[in-house]
Amino acid sequence: QVQLQESGPGLVKPSETLSLTCTVSGGSISSCDYYWGWIRQPPGKGLEWIGSICYSGNTYSNPSLGGRLTISVDTSKNQFSLKLNSVTAADTAVYYCARPTGGHDGFDIWGQGIMVTVSS
Amino acid sequence: QSVLTQPPSVSAAPGQKVTISCSGTTSNIGNYYVSWYQHLPGTAPKLLIYDNNKRPSGIPDRFSDSKSDTSATLAITGLQTGDEADYYCGTWDSGLRAYVFGTGTKVTVL
Repeated sequence: QVQLQESGPGLVKPSETLSLTCTVSGGSISSCDYYWGWIRQPPGKGLEWIGSICYSGNTYSNPSLGGRLTISVDTSKNQFSLKLNSVTAADTAVYYCARPTGGHDGFDIWGQGIMVTVSS
Repeated sequence: QSVLTQPPSVSAAPGQKVTISCSGTTSNIGNYYVSWYQHLPGTAPKLLIYDNNKRPSGIPDRFSDSKSDTSATLAITGLQTGDEADYYCGTWDSGLRAYVFGTGTKVTVL
């Protein structure tokens, strides 16, 4: 079955760029039947959708992140990635990648999550 | 700041029923199916309900949802201690062109 795994640094300095990758196994990322997503949860707070991408590169992003977010896909590696620049302590969170049941529907397959701390 | 509003907490005794409301607008719940998630600390959220009361494999029928205009409700019957968790609604918002989550509800089993 399809599995997702996040990877990337667990510590990022303020004002720098947070970069994470989600590796998809057990299935192909090459379909726009799914908009592969990134979701985060800051400590003590609720879930926040960051953005989603389909294999063609078409993306949707959370407006609250302004122009700080870039989501990309690498079909050759069956991966999609997130880059969030100019990070602050407010970007400290557990970051999840996830696949919806279809299109922009509910996310039924999730990675285990990766804790990213923004601190000097 | 979420556009979907949920009560901060609900509670009930084992075996009882709880309901969790999710209030939105015509841009989201009014025009799209709502999904519901269960989130236990230290684990990834789990999808409970999607696409008009469908449940993924392995989710018991103790979990069900309903929708009326711009609100949705998750019902949990036969409450169990293992149901203690945070619950979130989520759906697409056409105005924001974004997926939105609810504010989250903590379920406590008394």
